[in-house]
Amino acid sequence: GQQVMQIPQYQHVQEGEDFTTYCNSSTTLSNIQWYKQRPGGHPVFLIQLVKSGEVKKQKRLTFQFGEAKKNSSLHITATQTTDVGTYFCAGPHAGNMLTFGGGTRLMVKP
Amino acid sequence: DAGITQSPRYKITETGRQVTLMCHQTWSHSYMFWYRQDLGHGLRLIYYSAAADITDKGEVPDGYVVSRSKTENFPLTLESATRSQTSVYFCASSGTANYGYTFGSGTRLTVV
Repeated sequence: GQQVMQIPQYQHVQEGEDFTTYCNSSTTLSNIQWYKQRPGGHPVFLIQLVKSGEVKKQKRLTFQFGEAKKNSSLHITATQTTDVGTYFCAGPHAGNMLTFGGGTRLMVKP
Repeated sequence: DAGITQSPRYKITETGRQVTLMCHQTWSHSYMFWYRQDLGHGLRLIYYSAAADITDKGEVPDGYVVSRSKTENFPLTLESATRSQTSVYFCASSGTANYGYTFGSGTRLTVV
């Protein structure tokens, strides 16, 4: 079964509002990665977090890795229409390959 | 990314037919992967390969066959297509087992 859970599945926001998606793993992870998939596109690697409690920023995007290395979050400040898409977290599991969460689909109303 | 290409982009096939999806990468990445994406299931790993002539099953391998005779190619074959295999298939590659996968543009397969 799926070992990486993401919530929420869907999120509608007004342009300018903030957005957060949460990722939880059933096991401790050596690292967590985030990918973005635009509508009709393919997943694109955004970032990797490795250390317990790590926080990384990419412009309006803030990524956090939990202290126990079992959860992570992605926060977008002041969403724009270009942020539309599905955000996936992924972590190494059985066989050391990446297991992806179910994704959070973000929709932004202009 | 131009470095990893999938073909065809779209395919309609009939139940019971054999169909092969192609994946080619130009980076000489050791690892290659096949995922399927379905609503409600996210991305699920079908098969992966750590190097030429080394392949292994992922989460949902039944009904699929892979081969990797050359580092750059990793074709996925559906031996006898079923409607449940209607999906979007993504190939990915990476220099390591679990960092920074680069995905192809995907193949949308419909089995009728």
